[in-house]
Amino acid sequence: KQEVTQIPAALSVPEGENLVLNCSFTDSAIYNLQWFRQDPGKGLTSLLLIQSSQREQTSGRLNASLDKSSGRSTLYIAASQPGDSATYLCAVNRGSGGSNYKLTFGKGTLLTVNP
Amino acid sequence: EAQVTQNPRYLITVTGKKLTVTCSQNMNHEYMSWYRQDPGLGLRQIYYSMNVEVTDKGDVPEGYKVSRKEKRNFPLILESPSPNQTSLYFCASSLSFGGTGGSGANVLTFGAGSRLTVL
Repeated sequence: KQEVTQIPAALSVPEGENLVLNCSFTDSAIYNLQWFRQDPGKGLTSLLLIQSSQREQTSGRLNASLDKSSGRSTLYIAASQPGDSATYLCAVNRGSGGSNYKLTFGKGTLLTVNP
Repeated sequence: EAQVTQNPRYLITVTGKKLTVTCSQNMNHEYMSWYRQDPGLGLRQIYYSMNVEVTDKGDVPEGYKVSRKEKRNFPLILESPSPNQTSLYFCASSLSFGGTGGSGANVLTFGAGSRLTVL
């Protein structure tokens, strides 16, 4: 059974810092991995999706990497801003067992960027 | 505007009273899915649908039913709600999740959530 772990559970940084959020998964036979952002009381917004054949994806100040063999993904946020404060979730589309349609989420990292 | 719409957004009900949470998307997406989010447990998948009339169980399907009679709608049915179904529910859709449509087709769009309380 796929398990997804995110470390740290919470992170507080001053504005302007570069930071890294971590995601690890137990079954490396994944189809893809997505990073989401969730603001309080809101739904999830997809930030980046990395297919299993890719090593990284970039969007603006965000860069996500994927190392399937070690079961790890990182989300790098450059020059953090108070507006980046949110919970960041990673989710793995499991391929093991033949289903590409199921999604397993980590519990998230609560990021606070202080002005 | 491309979106996933859930209704109701908030609902308080009593044990055993059947309810339906509706989900509708206007993007012609093939894939739709339901999740529940609970403190300490994170988001867990309830059911998903790969296309019209094709549905399958996620990790926590017990106590829920779904149907996909039209491409745009994917309602979540609680036939006899119990207090352990008190949760925040999210519906999501994508063009072709898990298929061969490339990374863009796999991106999930989420609804704003439905907070359900069962007394």
